[in-house]
Amino acid sequence: QQQVKQSPQSLIVQKGGISIINCAYENTAFDYFPWYQQFPGKGPALLIAIRPDVSEKKEGRFTISFNKSAKQFSLHIMDSQPGDSATYFCAASMGVNNNDMRFGAGTRLTVKP
Amino acid sequence: DVKVTQSSRYLVKRTGEKVFLECVQDMDHENMFWYRQDPGLGLRLIYFSYDVKMKEKGDIPEGYSVSREKKERFSLILESASTNQTSMYLCASSLGGAGGEEQYFGPGTRLTVT
Repeated sequence: QQQVKQSPQSLIVQKGGISIINCAYENTAFDYFPWYQQFPGKGPALLIAIRPDVSEKKEGRFTISFNKSAKQFSLHIMDSQPGDSATYFCAASMGVNNNDMRFGAGTRLTVKP
Repeated sequence: DVKVTQSSRYLVKRTGEKVFLECVQDMDHENMFWYRQDPGLGLRLIYFSYDVKMKEKGDIPEGYSVSREKKERFSLILESASTNQTSMYLCASSLGGAGGEEQYFGPGTRLTVT
């Protein structure tokens, strides 16, 4: 069973809209929560990451919201663009230097022009 | 620029064959990882290595083994390939240490076992 549960599986958003992807975890040992973006034919690449000592992190149009008590975190993409169409994975890691990383199942985002 | 290369983009093997997937990183990273990616399941960790000759099991190590004889190279071995090992295999590396958690991925190897 997956240690990080991600929803929705797919998402269609109009250009300029807000895309929201949610993740939940159970293991309180997780200490680092990244989001990865993957385009077809490529490996995933880090988009943005957060640690549990903050509740929100923003980088440009991308924001992570983190709720430690609920063991949930989410990715918000503001002003979504067709170029944002990709698969997004949340992840959580633990262990020495956060080597032990577990990924969610992924969300395929399509932004319609 | 960090570069993680994988030996093949596409590979077709027969059931029962021994299969080697090679991964090389050029950034002197401490940690290396092997994942398999399947639709609806995301990336599942097979093994990772935090030092030469060191390895740790991930979520799905059964049917796989790994080798890290040199820091820059991490090999995934399927001792006797089976059809349920048909998948996309992704290798990654990370610097390690505080602030070094970011994993850099290779382009993947799509393995088909017939």
